[in-house]
Amino acid sequence: GAVVSQHPSRVICKSGTSVKIECRSLDFQATTMFWYRQFPKQSLMLMATSNEGSKATYEQGVEKDKFLINHASLTLSTLTVTSAHPEDSSFYICSAGGGSSTDTQYFGPGTRLTVL
Amino acid sequence: AQKITQTQPGMFVQEKEAVTLDCTYDTSDPSYGLFWYKQPSSGEMIFLIYQGSYDQQNATEGRYSLNFQKARKSANLVISASQLGDSAMYFCAMRPYSGAGSYQLTFGKGTKLSVIP
Repeated sequence: GAVVSQHPSRVICKSGTSVKIECRSLDFQATTMFWYRQFPKQSLMLMATSNEGSKATYEQGVEKDKFLINHASLTLSTLTVTSAHPEDSSFYICSAGGGSSTDTQYFGPGTRLTVL
Repeated sequence: AQKITQTQPGMFVQEKEAVTLDCTYDTSDPSYGLFWYKQPSSGEMIFLIYQGSYDQQNATEGRYSLNFQKARKSANLVISASQLGDSAMYFCAMRPYSGAGSYQLTFGKGTKLSVIP
């Protein structure tokens, strides 16, 4: 299957700082990438859909000014958690698909964010 | 809107035995895809198997097979010859092929499978 990388895999930051997470499709181009959040022992919750060259589409209840998404190229999307608070501590996972509605989404290994 | 239901929070299976993980779904879309993902303790989501709603045959991928019953709206995952490495969370997911949000996956709550030696 296709390979999606995420960096960093783990990050600890102080409250009030910003953290950037990168998601890369390594062997294919992804016009669409997705960002999910997963709390312990729960399912994945879609946060936003990232489209190359255009603004991201955020799910209801997700603050777009807090979770900044940039999809500047066909292989890279970034999620920046601004002014992080302890309640933002979570597991963030990205996925990438080829852009066709029938394409399988492949997931990155995830980033565990801890805000102190 | 789509909904995925996984009714088994946890399952145990003896090593080398087969196990079925249940998944039912609800959608008004005429065309859709069904997916199963495995999430080990490391957190990575690993794609296992895919079934299209118009596929005539049940999907198979190695030890994984999908028991697709369209009329019942169920897409159960069958793992044959369980291995210790199969211990993980398993998520059923669905994706419509039309309309707004046609690329988005909707996930079930997952089933934690534990393989007993």
